[in-house]
Amino acid sequence: QSALTQPPSASGSPGQSVTISCTGTSSDVARFNYVSWYQQHPGKAPKLIIYEVSKRPSGVPDRFSGSKSGTTASLTVSGLQAEDEADYYCCSYATNINVFGSGTKVTVL
Amino acid sequence: EVQVVETGGGLIHPGGSLRLSCAASGFIVSSNYIYWVRQAPGKGLEWISVIYAGGPSYYADSVQGRFTISRDNSKNTVYLQMNNLRAEDTAIYYCARGGITSASPSFYYSYSMDVWGQGTTVTVSS
Repeated sequence: QSALTQPPSASGSPGQSVTISCTGTSSDVARFNYVSWYQQHPGKAPKLIIYEVSKRPSGVPDRFSGSKSGTTASLTVSGLQAEDEADYYCCSYATNINVFGSGTKVTVL
Repeated sequence: EVQVVETGGGLIHPGGSLRLSCAASGFIVSSNYIYWVRQAPGKGLEWISVIYAGGPSYYADSVQGRFTISRDNSKNTVYLQMNNLRAEDTAIYYCARGGITSASPSFYYSYSMDVWGQGTTVTVSS
């Protein structure tokens, strides 16, 4: 049950795009299309922004998009806005358990 | 309104026990997956347990044998019984509802967490 690997930080200027990677294994990310992404602002509960690799819940802006290739999933935030500055976590299903990523802090410059 | 509310956190000595509650409203817990996720101070999210709609429950290795998840359908509440607590169990504990995807005419569980509570803080210290 090792955590999925994410870069500790990412940054971009307003209006730019940032992509966060999430690397797992053949037992989790590669095996199942059940990768989800969560946004967490300081002192707040996490919020679901992507599920099943690339689906967005109602109310989540289409600036957020997800994809997957092999053992690596990715989250792209396009048209960065100040409110996108937060921590982002990926999560994958892995046969009766879920595994979170190590988290990425996104800074809007 | 669909929501979950966690209660039961507090300060507990190492080796002690605590029971957290996750009270749901706006949906039926017995028809949903309910997850417990924790976050140690300054650290990332850690999945620790799930109870499926059909009843099976699963645990992370870090809590297996010490934590037990259960459900009281009459109270629409899920519990996390935590025994033999250790300093490393200190964290904010969140419960979350598992997401469901419509696939007309049926549905399936998407192994995501779509409704989160505000969390309850557990501090294990002597």
